[in-house]
Amino acid sequence: GEDVEQSLFLSVREGDSSVINCTYTDSSSTYLYWYKQEPGAGLQLLTYIFSNMDMKQDQRLTVLLNKKDKHLSLRIADTQTGDSAIYFCAEITSGGYNKLIFGAGTRLAVHP
Amino acid sequence: NAGVTQTPKFQVLKTGQSMTLQCAQDMNHNSMYWYRQDPGMGLRLIYYSASEGTTDKGEVPNGYNVSRLNKREFSLRLESAAPSQTSVYFCASSETSGRSPYEQYFGPGTRLTVT
Repeated sequence: GEDVEQSLFLSVREGDSSVINCTYTDSSSTYLYWYKQEPGAGLQLLTYIFSNMDMKQDQRLTVLLNKKDKHLSLRIADTQTGDSAIYFCAEITSGGYNKLIFGAGTRLAVHP
Repeated sequence: NAGVTQTPKFQVLKTGQSMTLQCAQDMNHNSMYWYRQDPGMGLRLIYYSASEGTTDKGEVPNGYNVSRLNKREFSLRLESAAPSQTSVYFCASSETSGRSPYEQYFGPGTRLTVT
């Protein structure tokens, strides 16, 4: 079945790099997404990658996709306290409408 | 341009009471969604509406009903609330044809407690 898994918690020091990992199961997913949720707010799209790409870079964010292992990662360079949030990995499935399957979310805590 | 709005922001219900969560979007999107978020479980799809006039069940539809009132509005109704429905509810909308990547835009959420 469809499933997206990610670790629940990550703690990093301010200025270090953060790497959040995710595994997914639907090999037919056309897009994979990273959403960010700040405390008390809804989810906001952070970045996405098309399935025929291996890497996408967007300022401090780098997304790596390993299709063979169905592994997705999000690297945040020079992590700041404002990056503290929950990060959700999601895949889009086929089948008539664009259904997103979310992971449980990784809570990133940035400390001085 | 307000995006996706939800009302109310907070609600406390007693077991057996009913209520309707309201959602509206001003982006002219065809598709709208209702999710619930529980600790450690990510977001689970309750119902979705691919276009005006259509609704379909998602992953966890039991205990809920929905209405796609028009293209802008998509409401979620709890007919007889149960403590297991204590959760944070998010509405989202997206375009589902034409230009990718079909980003879903989320509302701020409704925090519901059922006692």
